[in-house]
Amino acid sequence: AQKITQTQPGMFVQEKEAVTLDCTYDTSDPSYGLFWYKQPSSGEMIFLIYQGSYDQQNATEGRYSLNFQKARKSANLVISASQLGDSAMYFCAMREDNQAGTALIFGKGTTLSVSS
Amino acid sequence: ETGVTQTPRHLVMGMTNKKSLKCEQHLGHNAMYWYKQSAKKPLELMFVYNFKEQTENNSVPSRFSPECPNSSHLFLHLHTLQPEDSALYLCASSQYPGNRAEQYFGPGTRLTVT
Repeated sequence: AQKITQTQPGMFVQEKEAVTLDCTYDTSDPSYGLFWYKQPSSGEMIFLIYQGSYDQQNATEGRYSLNFQKARKSANLVISASQLGDSAMYFCAMREDNQAGTALIFGKGTTLSVSS
Repeated sequence: ETGVTQTPRHLVMGMTNKKSLKCEQHLGHNAMYWYKQSAKKPLELMFVYNFKEQTENNSVPSRFSPECPNSSHLFLHLHTLQPEDSALYLCASSQYPGNRAEQYFGPGTRLTVT
């Protein structure tokens, strides 16, 4: 079974609009972390935002916020006021704290295209 | 240099060649990773090193051989690769242990095996 599921292969949004990128996860570990990364066409993975499983509030970082619904096991990324530079692949990832290392499990990604 | 650097950025090699990918992190982290990113697939973890010790080998074929001489440097030695090994190889580092432990990635090496 997939640990991280991103059901939207591609999303399209106009500048200044908000967009939500979906992510659901599967784990039986009560302690875990959820991450979102952005990958522009240049290839580098850029860390955007983190949500811990015990965090009471949804994480926010500038224009990025994470809509964390623990019971539904979803961790959707919300980008407010989209910009042309937001066009990229977006990956949701999870780290289970019972693992020996800190390796991340990634979803397949969502391609976001922002138009003017 | 800042962050995580990788060299070379692009590499074309024949199936009989031997080459090495290099990764260096300037963040003071103690964990380093190799990932493979093929088209239309999620990132696949290959190797994990914590404090220079390999803690995870994700069933990677022996034609890929990692080396971690210190906490700042990570190499991936390649030999007798196959065309299906063509991919973007990403190096990352993080602090371990750590509650957040977000990983910082390098720009990747785009490998083409001919």
